[in-house]
Amino acid sequence: DAGITQSPRHKVTETGTPVTLRCHQTENHRYMYWYRQDPGHGLRLIHYSYGVKDTDKGEVSDGYSVSRSKTEDFLLTLESATSSQTSVYFCAISQTNTEAFFGQGTRLTVV
Amino acid sequence: KQEVTQIPAALSVPEGENLVLNCSFTDSAIYNLQWFRQDPGKGLTSLLLIQSSQREQTSGRLNASLDKSSGRSTLYIAASQPGDSATYLCAVRANYGQNFVFGPGTRLSVLP
Repeated sequence: DAGITQSPRHKVTETGTPVTLRCHQTENHRYMYWYRQDPGHGLRLIHYSYGVKDTDKGEVSDGYSVSRSKTEDFLLTLESATSSQTSVYFCAISQTNTEAFFGQGTRLTVV
Repeated sequence: KQEVTQIPAALSVPEGENLVLNCSFTDSAIYNLQWFRQDPGKGLTSLLLIQSSQREQTSGRLNASLDKSSGRSTLYIAASQPGDSATYLCAVRANYGQNFVFGPGTRLSVLP
């Protein structure tokens, strides 16, 4: 299995609080992605990174920010969590034109 | 905007049957297409990757084909087993931005 670790694996937080999810890889892959998975919507891209300090928005980026200060770490921050951000979050990694590998996911509940 | 669909949404078959899952995409300008399986409450496991220049890929009982011009891919599973029960997702990688666009998945149940 590709070396991808997401933390935490589960989190319950209150509306309005900031939350940071971490994705750590040991594969030295260039691309890193954050997706969310929701019933009826499937997997949707939030943000992605194509190198250290190089990031771009996906289709559902509102309310989320990301940072990548090192090749191996990609952080997803919810500045002020809302109930609509309750979801399962997946991190993925890839090299150019190669297959993507996914982490085990973080289940986030905003109450 | 790339859109990916999968048919059927759900499928239930008896053990031992051969089956075909379908994936369609609207924009043929892709780098590759990847098939995944997802077990309940788990992450995605990569099954097969087909580059845009390839027509098919095989891994064990799985065979995936790609017809880029018509925007279609199929995943063929031979001699299905109860352990194959999962949701199968296809994803296309656009040749801009290197992002993956996913289909909604096919939920497969293989009955003993």
